[in-house]
Formats: sequence, structure tokens, C-alpha cells
Amino acid sequence: KAGVTQTPRYLIKTRGQQVTLSCSPISGHRSVSWYQQTPGQGLQFLFEYFSETQRNKGNFPGRFSGRQFSNSRSEMNVSTLELGDSALYLCASRGEASSYNSPLHFGNGTRLTVT
Amino acid sequence: AQKITQTQPGMFVQEKEAVTLDCTYDTSDPSYGLFWYKQPSSGEMIFLIYQGSYDQQNATEGRYSLNFQKARKSANLVISASQLGDSAMYFCAMRAIIQGAQKLVFGQGTRLTINP
Repeated sequence: KAGVTQTPRYLIKTRGQQVTLSCSPISGHRSVSWYQQTPGQGLQFLFEYFSETQRNKGNFPGRFSGRQFSNSRSEMNVSTLELGDSALYLCASRGEASSYNSPLHFGNGTRLTVT
Repeated sequence: AQKITQTQPGMFVQEKEAVTLDCTYDTSDPSYGLFWYKQPSSGEMIFLIYQGSYDQQNATEGRYSLNFQKARKSANLVISASQLGDSAMYFCAMRAIIQGAQKLVFGQGTRLTINP
């Protein structure tokens, strides 16, 4: 079974631009979550989608948005990029959205650098 | 508020020794799940082991075991017979209900280095 696939692996953008990151979950998984990882803040939850609906949202500004398609693939968009948006963005999927013991399975991440 | 604390920023261990990575948590939710993840330099987060708040026995997965002490709110990861490939960042995480929604909260991580 293929794992979580994130594209692209690396991105370099300039301030003010926007960026779209893509995530394909494990086949059969309907829940997709996004996390931002930085050395200073660690892993921070961005949002979670389940069956094309946003279920949870972290404390990020409205410049960060996402969506999920009918095939469970998800995209994350960041508009008006700032230097502080430079981070590793991790996507994760899981099979049972409501179960406590269902682990998240992560992709390799997209490393975004904003210059 | 739900919180995970990992007090060891870094650890150095000789190959083949056992190592314990500390994790304490704080939650008022009676139902929660605790997870450990490994993050090699490649960036991928690899799920290692899970412990549920109502589980009576400590979880084990191969060389990984979880020392779950509910009263002390600790969930330490024990790696037996460490290997060079165990060198990585290790994150403890808790799934809990936060503001009515189920979320996963991560600790700051511990960087483990296995020396030959």
C-alpha cells in the first residue's frame, strides 16, 4: 500500500507570493491533516479535513487555507507569503477519523523556503 | 490545557544500550491516546507506538515499549538494544478533545544520537 505522498518536496518562493501544496493520503483514508513544523514552534496543527469538510482548524491566519477533494486528496494554500512561513509542511492521513487509537500516517513533507 | 512535555532536548547513547525518552502530559480529558513518532533527517514522521488511556498493559512494538504511568501522567518510550538507525528526532504526542474537536498535540521532541 502506498504511503502518504506530498508534492513538491522542496519549494522556494519570495515574499508576497502564494503557494499550493498537495497531499495524497493512503488509499482508503478519508481524514487528512496538515501540520507546520519549524525549529522554534515545533509541530503545529493547521487543519483537518474529512470527506471534503474541514473538521478542525488550528490557530493560523486566514492566509492559510485548504481543501479536500472527493478522492480524499488535499491541497493547502498559503497566500501573501511571509518569511516566517518558511517551514516543513507535513500532511498526514488516518483511516478512522473518530477513533482515539488511529495513528496519523505522515508524508515526507514539503520544505518551503520564503526569501 | 492539553500539553506534552519532553524535557530532554538531546540524548547520546552507545549502540546496543537501552534508552528511555521521557514524556509527560497534561489533560483533564479522561479519554486520550498517546503516540510516539520518529523523525529521521529525511523529514518523514514514522509512527512507532500507541497507548490508550484505558489500556491496562504497557504497549510494546518490537524493540519499542511504552512505560505508561497514568497517575504520574508520563508515557516514556523505551528502545531496547539501540541501533545506529535509531538516531533521529522522537516526538511524543497526545490525541485529546480540544475545544470540542479531536486534535493531536506534539511535544518539542528529543534528538537521539546513537554512537557506534
